[in-house]
Amino acid sequence: DAGVIQSPRHEVTEMGQEVTLRCKPISGHDYLFWYRQTMMRGLELLIYFNNNVPIDDSGMPEDRFSAKMPNASFSTLKIQPSEPRDSAVYFCASSSRGNSPLHFGNGTRLTVT
Amino acid sequence: AQRVTQPEKLLSVFKGAPVELKCNYSYSGSPELFWYVQYSRQRLQLLLRHISRESIKGFTADLNKGETSFHLKKPFAQEEDSAMYYCALRGVGTALIFGKGTTLSVSS
Repeated sequence: DAGVIQSPRHEVTEMGQEVTLRCKPISGHDYLFWYRQTMMRGLELLIYFNNNVPIDDSGMPEDRFSAKMPNASFSTLKIQPSEPRDSAVYFCASSSRGNSPLHFGNGTRLTVT
Repeated sequence: AQRVTQPEKLLSVFKGAPVELKCNYSYSGSPELFWYVQYSRQRLQLLLRHISRESIKGFTADLNKGETSFHLKKPFAQEEDSAMYYCALRGVGTALIFGKGTTLSVSS
């Protein structure tokens, strides 16, 4: 199993552009999580899904952020328009059950100039 | 509200010295506590969880409900322990919440 797969690994974009981050969870995992990692705030939960349904999106910073999970094997996190303060590493993680350990992807390092 | 506090951003020790990474939490019920580790150029991965009560790579952590703490300890640090360590909490029916992390640097 390749584990959780995220793409791209690195993204550099200009302020105002749309950014789409992608995640493929481990097959058979029912839960998918998006986290953001910064030096100042550490790892923050943005949103999580159970069986493709968003359960808690209270961590999404503002309306510029949106996340979807159209099927069990794919999720996207979109930022439109992007701003320099969105620069961070974005992690996707999945788990088989709500109380199972999380399996993380390698993350996407986003830089907005 | 759920909260995890790791008071140290950076902890530097010499090889062979004892290590204690502090973690305090705030939660009204009975939480599950975890330690995750991120080695250089590797994925964030589970190190240990309090319900397992096991020692992984020489690390242990005891849940102290009275002090609401879950400190990570190792009696003799190794250079390969250098990494970022995150304490995390999961409440009933909630997702995992992480602290801000502590970078452990072990030098010879």
